Amino acid sequence: SQTIHQWPATLVQPVGSPLSLECTVEGTSNPNLYWYRQAAGRGLQLLFYSVGIGQISSEVPQNLSASRPQDRQFILSSKKLLLSDSGFYLCAWSLSTGGFEKLFFGSGTQLSVL
Amino acid sequence: TQLLEQSPQFLSIQEGENLTVYCNSSSVFSSLQWYRQEPGEGPVLLVTVVTGGEVKKLKRLTFQFGDARKDSSLHITAAQPGDTGLYLCAAHNYGQNFVFGPGTRLSVLP
Repeated sequence: SQTIHQWPATLVQPVGSPLSLECTVEGTSNPNLYWYRQAAGRGLQLLFYSVGIGQISSEVPQNLSASRPQDRQFILSSKKLLLSDSGFYLCAWSLSTGGFEKLFFGSGTQLSVL
Repeated sequence: TQLLEQSPQFLSIQEGENLTVYCNSSSVFSSLQWYRQEPGEGPVLLVTVVTGGEVKKLKRLTFQFGDARKDSSLHITAAQPGDTGLYLCAAHNYGQNFVFGPGTRLSVLP
């Protein structure tokens, strides 16, 4: 069965420090991978998605970047964090089955920028 | 821009009551998914509906996809405190990214 791992679960970082959040998927190959941000327990904002190694699409211009160095690894980064980068970050992967897709989420990272 | 609306935004009920929450759009979608999310955790997929008029049941939860595939409802029978959480709907068309609603926050009081 497929599983998704995301870490760390919580992170407190000072303004101006770098960021690296990592996500890995097991049990599947060539998944579509996603990074979302969720503000205050509400809806999800898509930040980046990837359909393959080295292929990154950005949905929102911002202080963040994403990379996919391996098929099942997705990394969210920042060189210098801003206060506004605080939030709940979710990694996800999608599975195509029967002509439609299903989206599965990791456990999330609560980022606080102080 | 495709948008999903969810109602109500907040719902607080007593244990044992029934409830229905809604997910609506002006756009047609190929599929729609419902998730439940607890604080500090990622959303957990409950169900995917793909056919207009489709009804799926998951224990006390009944999901329905509208005939025109623009809306969906989630009905919970005899709600329990364990049903408490944020319910998100997400719609999808092939080749496009998922569209999420803002969620309904449900609180079931013992």
